[in-house]
Amino acid sequence: DQQVKQNSPSLSVQEGRISILNCDYTNSMFDYFLWYKKYPAEGPTFLISISSIKDKNEDGRFTVFLNKSAKHLSLHIVPSQPGDSAVYFCAARVGTASKLTFGTGTRLQVTL
Amino acid sequence: DAGVIQSPRHEVTEMGQEVTLRCKPISGHNSLFWYRQTMMRGLELLIYFNNNVPIDDSGMPEDRFSAKMPNASFSTLKIQPSEPRDSAVYFCASSLPLAGPSNEQFFGPGTRLTVL
Repeated sequence: DQQVKQNSPSLSVQEGRISILNCDYTNSMFDYFLWYKKYPAEGPTFLISISSIKDKNEDGRFTVFLNKSAKHLSLHIVPSQPGDSAVYFCAARVGTASKLTFGTGTRLQVTL
Repeated sequence: DAGVIQSPRHEVTEMGQEVTLRCKPISGHNSLFWYRQTMMRGLELLIYFNNNVPIDDSGMPEDRFSAKMPNASFSTLKIQPSEPRDSAVYFCASSLPLAGPSNEQFFGPGTRLTVL
């Protein structure tokens, strides 16, 4: 039972364009969402997060949008750079629980 | 700080053998998590500890898997006996006590396990 879903296993975007990574969830109790980035042979690293009381959070080139009614969030990267090529994981949490539930990841490739 | 340390980085073993993965969390972090990454299921939480106490082990696949945290600076994940379907990358992560909403988890580099 995959409570956090990333339906696109891969995405290819040209340098300078916008990358949009999508994530859907089924558990309405989730109220905090995070994105992690993973390079090959390394562990995931935290990228950006959003609380369910907001619908947008921006940090430099990265913006996360949350649509609670649709149980959907997205990560926008603009402009995309070759160094953004990595696997991106969406994760969700209930309240103050330590436990994160991760999606299956989307591999982003930014081409020159 | 050296970050989360995992050993070994790679492990190749034969079916039926015992495998022990090790993790040293970041000093001062009181939560420790073991994950398994596969293509089909992404990052799955196997078990996590708060203050060395196992809190949720519902993700442990079966009795062949066990985890311990004898002290705040060391944890092990053991598979006995190992099977080919256990082949995956196993990550350890740690985090500070939940003092704010972000509660970022810091991941180690992972152990790539191959069971032949």
